[in-house]
Amino acid sequence: GEDVEQSLFLSVREGDSSVINCTYTDSSSTYLYWYKQEPGAGLQLLTYIFSNMDMKQDQRLTVLLNKKDKHLSLRIADTQTGDSAIYFCAESEGGGNKLTFGTGTQLKVEL
Amino acid sequence: ETGVTQTPRHLVMGMTNKKSLKCEQHLGHNAMYWYKQSAKKPLELMFVYNFKEQTENNSVPSRFSPECPNSSHLFLHLHTLQPEDSALYLCASSQGGTSGPNTGELFFGEGSRLTVL
Repeated sequence: GEDVEQSLFLSVREGDSSVINCTYTDSSSTYLYWYKQEPGAGLQLLTYIFSNMDMKQDQRLTVLLNKKDKHLSLRIADTQTGDSAIYFCAESEGGGNKLTFGTGTQLKVEL
Repeated sequence: ETGVTQTPRHLVMGMTNKKSLKCEQHLGHNAMYWYKQSAKKPLELMFVYNFKEQTENNSVPSRFSPECPNSSHLFLHLHTLQPEDSALYLCASSQGGTSGPNTGELFFGEGSRLTVL
């Protein structure tokens, strides 16, 4: 089956950039997503990228997609304490309803 | 507030108990999902319902029994669970269907934290 892998933890200092990485195995992925889960809450869509794009920027967020290496990254500029959360990478095949998620990366922002 | 409400938020049950988790969405969506979230493991899709019909059962043990009486409500009935079933159970909904573009955005509830003793 499809696999999505990401590291479990990342710690950064406030004001620095955070880069969360993800690799996936499904070469037919159509959409790739980043979801954010704050403590005690469900997941919320942060951003997504269509597979024919290399990059997407949305304010402090930059998503980079390397389709050849099946590598997706999320860069958060000027990381704030409010960015502390778990970030999930996910992919779907054909833009359908079945998303495959990774383990989530817990981002800790230190003062 | 995501428009997806799960109850109860916390549940402790013994292995011989029978309990149910409830999910309700107010978004007019046609697809609903159960996911299991365990520490250090990928988020695991359990069941998918489209227009009240089950379209995915991801090899889930029969001690988990879903029910979808209408497009707005989804239940997960639990019986004779094992301690390793302790996890956060997340409900989600999405637009569903096959017409029109579908970015696959899921709207999640806050989850039901289940502890099996």
